Amino acid sequence: EIVMTQSPLSLPVTPGEPASISCRSSQSLLRSDGYNFLDWYLQKPGQSPQLLIYLGSNRASGVPDRFSGSGSGSDFTLEISRVEAEDVGVYFCMQALQIPLTFGGGTKVEIK
Amino acid sequence: EVQLLESGGGLVQPGGSLRLPCAASGFTFSSYAMSWVRQAPGKGPEWVSSILGSGSRTYYADSVKGRFTISRDNSKNTLYLQMNSLRAEDTAVYYCAKDHSPSPNGIWGFDSWGQGTLVTVSS
Repeated sequence: EIVMTQSPLSLPVTPGEPASISCRSSQSLLRSDGYNFLDWYLQKPGQSPQLLIYLGSNRASGVPDRFSGSGSGSDFTLEISRVEAEDVGVYFCMQALQIPLTFGGGTKVEIK
Repeated sequence: EVQLLESGGGLVQPGGSLRLPCAASGFTFSSYAMSWVRQAPGKGPEWVSSILGSGSRTYYADSVKGRFTISRDNSKNTLYLQMNSLRAEDTAVYYCAKDHSPSPNGIWGFDSWGQGTLVTVSS
């Protein structure tokens, strides 16, 4: 099973400032065809998770361009260029390279 | 617009059974793999099971293998999760989720999630 490790656990942010979340996997998520099987999700309070970034760096439909994903292999980063109040919630990374699909422990983003 | 609507949750005794349907609309259902993901109270999401668009292959987490069965009816645009021999640790909100790639092979990740249905296993 691929273990996903996120940091930090909690991230207090100031509106308008940047934020960054790290996700590391116990095995490389880079498939031979060049795709990194790493997604980022945001679960806002009281809501279902929503897809932000798929295959490591592709923004999902409707996701603001202040969100970006980067990284390859076993080391990935989600960046928010300028945090807005609506970005609060828990962010999860998830690997889909191998069954069982596994999630990181989550990073709770809250406004200072 | 993609819509996924789960139902069938509720309170069940340990050892009991439940069947969760998920009605899908807004996309070509048979072209996409579908999955069930659960989330226990206060915990992160846990992948449970997936099925390819054709229904030809299914995948399960070890924690539910042999007890849960995923299936789909492409003529009715509906995904199912049959849950038997339920345990207290199966208590969670169960989400159905649509794959973000129409690839016929494998699971790629989830671009749409339902609102979830709560399953509580308790005596």
